[in-house]
Amino acid sequence: AQSVTQLDSQVPVFEEAPVELRCNYSSSVSVYLFWYVQYPNQGLQLLLKYLSGSTLVKGINGFEAEFNKSQTSFHLRKPSVHISDTAEYFCAVSEVDDDYKLSFGAGTTVTVRA
Amino acid sequence: DAGVIQSPRHEVTEMGQEVTLRCKPISGHDYLFWYRQTMMRGLELLIYFNNNVPIDDSGMPEDRFSAKMPNASFSTLKIQPSEPRDSAVYFCASSFLGATEAFFGQGTRLTVV
Repeated sequence: AQSVTQLDSQVPVFEEAPVELRCNYSSSVSVYLFWYVQYPNQGLQLLLKYLSGSTLVKGINGFEAEFNKSQTSFHLRKPSVHISDTAEYFCAVSEVDDDYKLSFGAGTTVTVRA
Repeated sequence: DAGVIQSPRHEVTEMGQEVTLRCKPISGHDYLFWYRQTMMRGLELLIYFNNNVPIDDSGMPEDRFSAKMPNASFSTLKIQPSEPRDSAVYFCASSFLGATEAFFGQGTRLTVV
């Protein structure tokens, strides 16, 4: 079975500063990796996903993530955040050929301050 | 497409009452998932269906929880009797063979008092 660890539960950041959210996973088989964002009182929205190929993945709203197989990591980055990026971010993994079941990390709350 | 539709968006009920949450997956999707989000346990998979058949219900916490998918366009998650610890946000998601992601609904926020 796979598992996901998000290393930071809360990340405060100033507007226009960069942010990095860390995610590590464990699995004995090949996986797909995802980052979802949840704005207050909203559902889950897919930011980006890694399936195969290039290890640098670009998503919506200026976010990108890098897959590192040797370190089993999938960290999310944004070079310059906005107030509107205040949300909770979830890293998730699904095993290839396992019916799209997702295992989620505990989430990282990003609070952007002016 | 309107996406995955869940109803109601909010539900407040008294302990001991039956609660039914509803989900309409995206048309053409043959996988349907129910997830629960709580502060203590985060997001966890409760049960999922493929072609209306339950495949894995190992995440269903207790016999008080049951889920059905009578047809390809509708699923229910029922809690009977409800307890305060069932208070959570319940998400439904759907996908299809060959897809690379699941698509989530807006969730139902359940409060049991």
